[in-house]
Amino acid sequence: NAGVTQTPKFQVLKTGQSMTLQCAQDMNHNSMYWYRQDPGMGLRLIYYSASEGTTDKGEVPNGYNVSRLNKREFSLRLESAAPSQTSVYFCASRGFPLAGRTYEQYFGPGTRLTVT
Amino acid sequence: GNSVTQMEGPVTLSEEAFLTINCTYTATGYPSLFWYVQYPGEGLQLLLKATKADDKGSNKGFEATYRKETTSFHLEKGSVQVSDSAVYFCALNSGGSNYKLTFGKGTLLTVNP
Repeated sequence: NAGVTQTPKFQVLKTGQSMTLQCAQDMNHNSMYWYRQDPGMGLRLIYYSASEGTTDKGEVPNGYNVSRLNKREFSLRLESAAPSQTSVYFCASRGFPLAGRTYEQYFGPGTRLTVT
Repeated sequence: GNSVTQMEGPVTLSEEAFLTINCTYTATGYPSLFWYVQYPGEGLQLLLKATKADDKGSNKGFEATYRKETTSFHLEKGSVQVSDSAVYFCALNSGGSNYKLTFGKGTLLTVNP
């Protein structure tokens, strides 16, 4: 099992360019998440997908869109990149919890994005 | 809303020293509590968790006890190693169908030989 994989690992964009960050998981998890990590801010949730076919906004959704392509894949798109979107982006997934159990989120290795 | 407050870093210790990283939370209902660790250049990994009051989570020599009366989940280790150098995040999950995690801002730990 590869767990959660993300591509690319690094990316540099110019202001106004667009790109899509890819995420895939092979654990048959229902829920998937996109976070951004900034110094001194911890991780902030951008969007999440509780199950295939649904997506919802998190804490900081502005400037981003997402697509839950299928159960395995959850992509994050920046339509017009801005320097404020320079960050490290993490994708995570989580299985459906059975009664009385708590399932943790599993994280990918991250994508380091710089917008100049 | 939910929130997690953890002690500001950075924390610098010598090898074999005792570690405490404080974490307190605000949440509705009965959250599950987690500590995640992020080694340099990597994603987050679950270190330990606790799902109800008075539960103690433990892993790799780290421990944390879910204290509902003080709304705390402090991370401790009796003897740290250089390999424990990382950023540690406290987080909570207040349940519901979306299972979102709320994270603290992270504490950077550096252990010197």
